[in-house]
Amino acid sequence: SAVISQKPSRDICQRGTSLTIQCQVDSQVTMMFWYRQQPGQSLTLIATANQGSEATYESGFVIDKFPISRPNLTFSTLTVSNMSPEDSSIYLCSVALHNEQFFGPGTRLTVL
Amino acid sequence: GQQLNQSPQSMFIQEGEDVSMNCTSSSIFNTWLWYKQDPGEGPVLLIALYKAGELTSNGRLTAQFGITRKDSFLNISASIPSDVGIYFCAGQLEGNEKLTFGTGTRLTIIP
Repeated sequence: SAVISQKPSRDICQRGTSLTIQCQVDSQVTMMFWYRQQPGQSLTLIATANQGSEATYESGFVIDKFPISRPNLTFSTLTVSNMSPEDSSIYLCSVALHNEQFFGPGTRLTVL
Repeated sequence: GQQLNQSPQSMFIQEGEDVSMNCTSSSIFNTWLWYKQDPGEGPVLLIALYKAGELTSNGRLTAQFGITRKDSFLNISASIPSDVGIYFCAGQLEGNEKLTFGTGTRLTIIP
């Protein structure tokens, strides 16, 4: 398995600001993913982040709103830009390893 | 985006009872995964299924990959208090690719 950490674990932000979430994994992985989990809901994929190439976004998610960096094989960031209360969610990164996917603990974001 | 239909949505059981939940899709998946999520945590992988018809166990948990590749079920035998949480199924077309998640089953154990 993989050990994944995320920073921050939670934050409360003001409308109109941006927050960058970091994801660190303890082994080198090609595929990393960012998911959103709205309150009481299931997980929805935001984008796939591969090292050395631009992230691939799912329908309904755009780069201007959720810019992603993937500078190396163990690290990625997701920025939630120009936040509104509707962005209040848990944001989770995950990695694919040996045909299985492992998740970080999540970042709980509240936008006021 | 697409979500898999998971049932039941919630379950209230007594400790020691067996639990069964399932997940259905309108499209085929080549891998099925079952996760458990505790409050404030990320999902933890319980069982992975790679072949149609496959039946796999992990302790008190047993999961099966449906023959049609459009469904999967998870059984928990002799439930204990730490089984409380939300269980998600997830389908995957190819290895190491994105997951499509089910709607979740919330398990509560009545004292």
